Amino acid sequence: DQQVKQNSPSLSVQEGRISILNCDYTNSMFDYFLWYKKYPAEGPTFLISISSIKDKNEDGRFTVFLNKSAKHLSLHIVPSQPGDSAVYFCAASHGWNQGGKLIFGQGTELSVKP
Amino acid sequence: KAGVTQTPRYLIKTRGQQVTLSCSPISGHRSVSWYQQTPGQGLQFLFEYFSETQRNKGNFPGRFSGRQFSNSRSEMNVSTLELGDSALYLCASSLIGRDFFDGETQYFGPGTRLLVL
Repeated sequence: DQQVKQNSPSLSVQEGRISILNCDYTNSMFDYFLWYKKYPAEGPTFLISISSIKDKNEDGRFTVFLNKSAKHLSLHIVPSQPGDSAVYFCAASHGWNQGGKLIFGQGTELSVKP
Repeated sequence: KAGVTQTPRYLIKTRGQQVTLSCSPISGHRSVSWYQQTPGQGLQFLFEYFSETQRNKGNFPGRFSGRQFSNSRSEMNVSTLELGDSALYLCASSLIGRDFFDGETQYFGPGTRLLVL
């Protein structure tokens, strides 16, 4: 049962344009969402997060939008840079008692072309 | 502040053997979680330790086990290795692992790449 889904395995974007990565979830109990970026042979690096009481969070070039009614979140990267090329994972957690457990999507590989 | 460290980085074992992986969390972090990453299944939660106690467990067989020491360092063990255990094993640490809603974040180590032949 895939509770967090990233339906696009890959995305290609031109440098300077916007990258939009999407994530859907099924569990309405999720109350916190995170985006991680992963390069080959490295562990995931935390990018940005959002709690369910918000619908938007920004950090520099990265903005995450949350649509709870649609159970959908997206990560916008503006402007995209070649160094952003990596695999992006969205992750979710729910409940104070789900300590230390994140549920990840399958990842989307972003390629930013110069 | 040093990040999460994992040893060894690479490991080759044969079926039936057992393996122990080690993780040192960020200083001050008391929650350590383990994940398995495979091409087909993505990142899957194995278990989480806090104050030397397993607090949460994913859907993996009993061959996968772990422990945490008083200094918060953690080890995971896989016994009777199978070909399907070949994966990247990631360790992540966080302060207490229960305040994600308030902005706590999990930080990952570089992983241990295990190949089972």
